[in-house]
Amino acid sequence: DAKTTQPTSMDCAEGRAANLPCNHSTISGNEYVYWYRQIHSQGPQYIIHGLKNNETNEMASLIITEDRKSSTLILPHATLRDTAVYYCIPNNAGNMLTFGGGTRLMVKP
Amino acid sequence: EAGVTQFPSHSVIEKGQTVTLRCDPISGHDNLYWYRRVMGKEIKFLLHFVKESKQDESGMPNNRFLAERTGGTYSTLKVQPAELEDSGVYFCASSRKIGWNYGYTFGSGTRLTVV
Repeated sequence: DAKTTQPTSMDCAEGRAANLPCNHSTISGNEYVYWYRQIHSQGPQYIIHGLKNNETNEMASLIITEDRKSSTLILPHATLRDTAVYYCIPNNAGNMLTFGGGTRLMVKP
Repeated sequence: EAGVTQFPSHSVIEKGQTVTLRCDPISGHDNLYWYRRVMGKEIKFLLHFVKESKQDESGMPNNRFLAERTGGTYSTLKVQPAELEDSGVYFCASSRKIGWNYGYTFGSGTRLTVV
């Protein structure tokens, strides 16, 4: 499995954009980049995924560099409810997810 | 659609006892996964069912853990006998089929405490 590097923690002001980076330099050609988050005491929640094109859904945007060695998850207008641990996970469809330490995002009023 | 349901939400048992956790995946989801997080550690994969068959059980820690998936529907994870180090949160997730390039849906987890 590709290894990932994410900041341990980040702060963001409520209403501002939260940009969460992830390095996945060993990602293989057929692995997607998935982002999940875990809000305290809940199960992990799928956010978004992409292969090489940028993606956007109702929750977030995902920017993947052209060489696919890194990506950035963007929460355009962070709210207090976005406080969570965010995980970047390279994965082939159907395979097990390998969670790392993730980034603890704290959204502050 | 209904989400992934796990019960009980909490379980406190004594060392040496048996506990059975249950997971009801989203209807029609062939893939079912078990994960767990022990205190202070990262979330770790336990095993993967495709319908009623075990596709990958490489993450099962030892033979005290037994997982089943009756008829390819709900799944149970039995710990017998439970040890202190089994304490943690056990998550179940499901997805529609192999090659399904969308995220997994996780349940809220079962918090197991072995005392």
